[in-house]
Amino acid sequence: EIVLTQSPATLSLSPGERATLSCRASQSVNIYLAWYHQRPGQAPRLLIYDASNRATGVPVRFSGSGSGTDFTLTISSLEPEDFAVYYCQQRSSWPITFGQGTRLEIK
Amino acid sequence: QVHLVESGGGVVQPGRSLRLSCADSGFTFSAYAIHWVRQAPGKGLEWVAVLSDDGSNEKYAESVKGRFTISRDNSKNTLYLQMNSLRPEDTAVYYCAKDTTSDGGGHGMDVWGQGTTVTVS
Repeated sequence: EIVLTQSPATLSLSPGERATLSCRASQSVNIYLAWYHQRPGQAPRLLIYDASNRATGVPVRFSGSGSGTDFTLTISSLEPEDFAVYYCQQRSSWPITFGQGTRLEIK
Repeated sequence: QVHLVESGGGVVQPGRSLRLSCADSGFTFSAYAIHWVRQAPGKGLEWVAVLSDDGSNEKYAESVKGRFTISRDNSKNTLYLQMNSLRPEDTAVYYCAKDTTSDGGGHGMDVWGQGTTVTVS
C-alpha cells in the first residue's frame, strides 16, 4: 500500500501568517491526492482534490500543489478557524490511504 | 443536498457483531459511491471500505477484509457496514463519506456524516 508521510507533525503559527504543509508519498500517486482538515469534535472536510483543485466553498487562501510523490498545502493567511488537523489522502491505488496528519496550532 | 447520518454504534464485546447504518436524506444517494472511514481515539483517519453506486463493486482495507461487509439499499437511501468478529482495535468513530463519483475512485470524499462510535471491550 502507498504510505503518505506528512510533515511537520505539528506547526505553530499565528493568525495572519502563511502555513506550508507537506505530504510525501512512498510511490507516485500522479495528481490523485486530496487534502482535508478536521476541527476538534467535527468530521473531516474536503479542501483540495487532485492535488490543486479547491473543493466547493473552500476559501481561496487554501491552495495545493505537487505531483508524483511530493505535495504541498499552503494557507496564505491563517484565520482562527484554520487551526485544526490536516490530512492528505491518495486515491491512486487501492487501498485508499491517509497521512498521519499535521496539527496546525495557534502560537 | 446530501446529508449523511450514521447510526448503530455502541459498546460490544470482542468477537461479537454490530451493524452500522448511514442514511441520506437527500435525493442523490444512489448516484455515488460511499465510503466508511474510521478514527480510533486520538488517532488519524483510516479508510475502511467503499461501495459503488449500484452495489456491484466493493473494496476493503486489509485490516477488515473477511470480517466486515459493506452493502446498500438505494430504495432506502441507506448504506450499511456489517461488522463481525470485532476486535478491540476496531474501536473508533466510524464515518460514512460520499465519493464524488459512482465507483469510489473519485476526487475525494466531499460529504461526511458526523460519525457513530463503536467501542469493542
